[in-house]
Amino acid sequence: QKEVEQNSGPLSVPEGAIASLNCTYSDRVSQSFFWYRQYSGKSPELIMSIYSNGDKEDGRFTAQLNKASQYVSLLIRDSQPSDSATYLCAVNLVYYGQNFVFGPGTRLSVLP
Amino acid sequence: NAGVMQNPRHLVRRRGQEARLRCSPMKGHSHVYWYRQLPEEGLKFMVYLQKENIIDESGMPKERFSAEFPKEGPSILRIQQVVRGDSAAYFCASSLTSGTVNTEAFFGQGTRLTVV
Repeated sequence: QKEVEQNSGPLSVPEGAIASLNCTYSDRVSQSFFWYRQYSGKSPELIMSIYSNGDKEDGRFTAQLNKASQYVSLLIRDSQPSDSATYLCAVNLVYYGQNFVFGPGTRLSVLP
Repeated sequence: NAGVMQNPRHLVRRRGQEARLRCSPMKGHSHVYWYRQLPEEGLKFMVYLQKENIIDESGMPKERFSAEFPKEGPSILRIQQVVRGDSAAYFCASSLTSGTVNTEAFFGQGTRLTVV
C-alpha cells in the first residue's frame, strides 16, 4: 500500500456545489496532516492543516480527520471556478525519517 | 517575513553540465525538503535536511544527485552530469519544526530545470 493515497480524479463539480476530496494514509503513528492546492505551473500552497480528530473549518474549507480509519478529507463548500486546481494531501511521518509525504493529488474542475 | 526563496527560477543546462539549485528557507525555519515534479505528475520526495544534517535522502537517486544545508547560507541541490530525464520542476519547502505541531511546510516558487 502506498503511504498516502487520494481518490482518483479528475473530479468535476458545478459551481456552488460541495467538492469532496479524500485521502488515506498507511502510517498509524502520523500526527500531522495537510492539504495543499496547486495551480498548473505553480508551486503548492498550504490551505489547511489538521492535527486532531474531527473537523476543522476555515472559510469555505473544512478538513476532517479520522485517525482510527487513517482517513483525512477536504470539503470545499460553494465551489468556485477559481477552486479548479490539483489538491494534494500531505502527511508528516514524524516517526520515520521521511517527512511530508504527498499523495498523487486530485484534480478538481469547477464548472461555471 | 520573506517566504521560501528559490533560485534560479529557470535553469537551462546542456547534457553533462552541472546544475545547482538554491533554496533559502523562511526565517527561523531549520527544516528543508526537496521535491521533484514532472509535468502532470505528483510531488516526489527527494531529501529532508536540517542544518548541517541530512535526515532522509531515501528519495535521492544514488548517483549524480547531492544535497546540503550548511550552517550558513541556503540549501543546495546539486545535479552532476545532467541528462534530459532530469528536466523537471524542483521544489523546496521549509518548516519550523518536525514535531507534532507547527510542522506546516511552505513551498518556494520552484526551479524549472531544462536539459538540452
